[in-house]
Amino acid sequence: ETGVTQTPRHLVMGMTNKKSLKCEQHLGHNAMYWYKQSAKKPLELMFVYSLEERVENNSVPSRFSPECPNSSHLFLHLHTLQPEDSALYLCASSHPGAHEQYFGPGTRLTVT
Amino acid sequence: AQSVAQPEDQVNVAEGNPLTVKCTYSVSGNPYLFWYVQYPNRGLQFLLKYITGDNLVKGSYGFEAEFNKSQTSFHLKKPSALVSDSALYFCAVRDGTGGFKTIFGAGTRLFVKA
Repeated sequence: ETGVTQTPRHLVMGMTNKKSLKCEQHLGHNAMYWYKQSAKKPLELMFVYSLEERVENNSVPSRFSPECPNSSHLFLHLHTLQPEDSALYLCASSHPGAHEQYFGPGTRLTVT
Repeated sequence: AQSVAQPEDQVNVAEGNPLTVKCTYSVSGNPYLFWYVQYPNRGLQFLLKYITGDNLVKGSYGFEAEFNKSQTSFHLKKPSALVSDSALYFCAVRDGTGGFKTIFGAGTRLFVKA
């Protein structure tokens, strides 16, 4: 248990659905991250929030929309996804000055 | 631009033998270097980091890594492998001049045979 939780753990959605992924950290960190992990590919950084402000947006398609209402919660809103968006979506958090990240267990997303 | 290379897709080692998982990096400025491990159906778990100071860093579960600036390497090592060490290992680098962007390698699968 790393102190970072993600819900749901598994999600199957059609290409016309709208869904949201939720991440919560109980570590007192003030930076939060979304990553995409696909088979046979390196981890892809999607978004970074620091003090609830988006500081990195890694050329992610607009069908992915992040939201960070406070330093403990991070959402990823999904709409009109494509089958190639099927992957494991990982949330992470970090403490200022510590540099290492603490990851949640991920949400396994399947787009049909 | 930052990059990380893990040249081996898989490393096989017998239990009790030493293990090495290789990593080389490229970054402008001073590197912050990390190793993470991922077990099946889990997120990544932080093992150790190099920020500054002693080139040999020790981390969780008996793992250590050596920072070699001239060879731009940060290989992960353990003197005696356990079957339970079998997992996917990721090397990562961040530019020490600031920012939040961490680049991860493609991962190396470690298989420890009993």
